[in-house]
Amino acid sequence: DTAVSQTPKYLVTQMGNDKSIKCEQNLGHDTMYWYKQDSKKFLKIMFSYNNKELIINETVPNRFSPKSPDKAHLNLHINSLELGDSAVYFCASSHRQGGQPQHFGDGTRLSIL
Amino acid sequence: EDQVTQSPEALRLQEGESSSLNCSYTVSGLRGLFWYRQDPGKGPEFLFTLYSAGEEKEKERLKATLTKKESFLHITAPKPEDSATYLCAVQGYNFNKFYFGSGTKLNVKP
Repeated sequence: DTAVSQTPKYLVTQMGNDKSIKCEQNLGHDTMYWYKQDSKKFLKIMFSYNNKELIINETVPNRFSPKSPDKAHLNLHINSLELGDSAVYFCASSHRQGGQPQHFGDGTRLSIL
Repeated sequence: EDQVTQSPEALRLQEGESSSLNCSYTVSGLRGLFWYRQDPGKGPEFLFTLYSAGEEKEKERLKATLTKKESFLHITAPKPEDSATYLCAVQGYNFNKFYFGSGTKLNVKP
């Protein structure tokens, strides 16, 4: 069983489009995260939700809007995609807020044409 | 500002050739330092957590150590299956945030 699963794995789209990435965890964790991994491999936190409540929003453009319908799901919607949005986006979860370790999904590679 | 720097960026070893990866950090109030392994096309996989200077953790051919300013991941007699990118991360006073380094890409040749 996959602990943290993301869909889709690859996303190729045109500049200006709107797209969503879905994430689900079956670990029973309370906290979920979105990270962006750029071409230099830095993983930077974007958002964190604890029991469906937003607790971290790291200077991310308003075009990015996370949504957590329940504590097992955290989706990421991106409006008006730009070239600079090309990256790999990882979803992660942890048992509780600030809990360790974090469990990661396998990432969604977003390519903007 | 909390920061993590890893070196070298890339490391090529022959099978059986032991070496160390470095993770230097600056953080306000270290709560934990973490090592992850990342294979191509996969998410980071947790290896170790270290909490205080002097602590050591071991798993098979890997041993992680921690000082007040840096951590080392020692790889003893590596095998080709150890090839991966190794990421270091820290959690500081703001326990909701984890800061990652850019990783060391290890390639072990048979």
